[in-house]
Amino acid sequence: DAGVTQSPTHLIKTRGQHVTLRCSPISGHKSVSWYQQVLGQGPQFIFQYYEKEERGRGNFPDRFSARQFPNYSSELNVNALLLGDSALYLCASSFKGEYEQYFGPGTRLTVT
Amino acid sequence: AQKVTQAQTEISVVEKEDVTLDCVYETRDTTYYLFWYKQPPSGELVFLIRRNSFDEQNEISGRYSWNFQKSTSSFNFTITASQVVDSAVYFCALIQTLTGNTGKLIFGQGTTLQVKP
Repeated sequence: DAGVTQSPTHLIKTRGQHVTLRCSPISGHKSVSWYQQVLGQGPQFIFQYYEKEERGRGNFPDRFSARQFPNYSSELNVNALLLGDSALYLCASSFKGEYEQYFGPGTRLTVT
Repeated sequence: AQKVTQAQTEISVVEKEDVTLDCVYETRDTTYYLFWYKQPPSGELVFLIRRNSFDEQNEISGRYSWNFQKSTSSFNFTITASQVVDSAVYFCALIQTLTGNTGKLIFGQGTTLQVKP
């Protein structure tokens, strides 16, 4: 079975631009979570969606938004990019939110 | 507040040595789950184990073992006879399940393990 997939793998954007990151969960999983991992630190929770509804939100500004589609795939959108948004963005899927979360390979975003 | 602390930033061992990675957590919830993840240089987080707060039995999986002690709020991870392929960053994480269940994994800072041949 395919694992969690994310696209794109790498992305370079300029300050002020907008970015959309995509994630497809493991088949049968209904929950998708997004995390930001800055170099040298542990992942920080951004959002969790379960059955297409937002279930939780971390301490991130409103520039960050997400949604989950009927097929349980998800998009993370970041507006007005800042240099500090440069990070590895990880998507994780789980059957339910509190179950083990399986991570995708991540999207490395560089903001210049 | 919930928090996970991995006091060891970096550990370096020689192949075949045993190594223990420490994890201490804080939570007010009585029901929670603890996790360990491995992050190799490729960047993808690999799930290793999930343990719920009511199950304090130690677990062994091959060369890996986990020691969960509620009394000390610790969930330590031991690799026996370490191998070069074990070199990675290891994260301990916590998730609450009752109050405000957001499915939010709270990660520690990570421990970088280097296994030298």
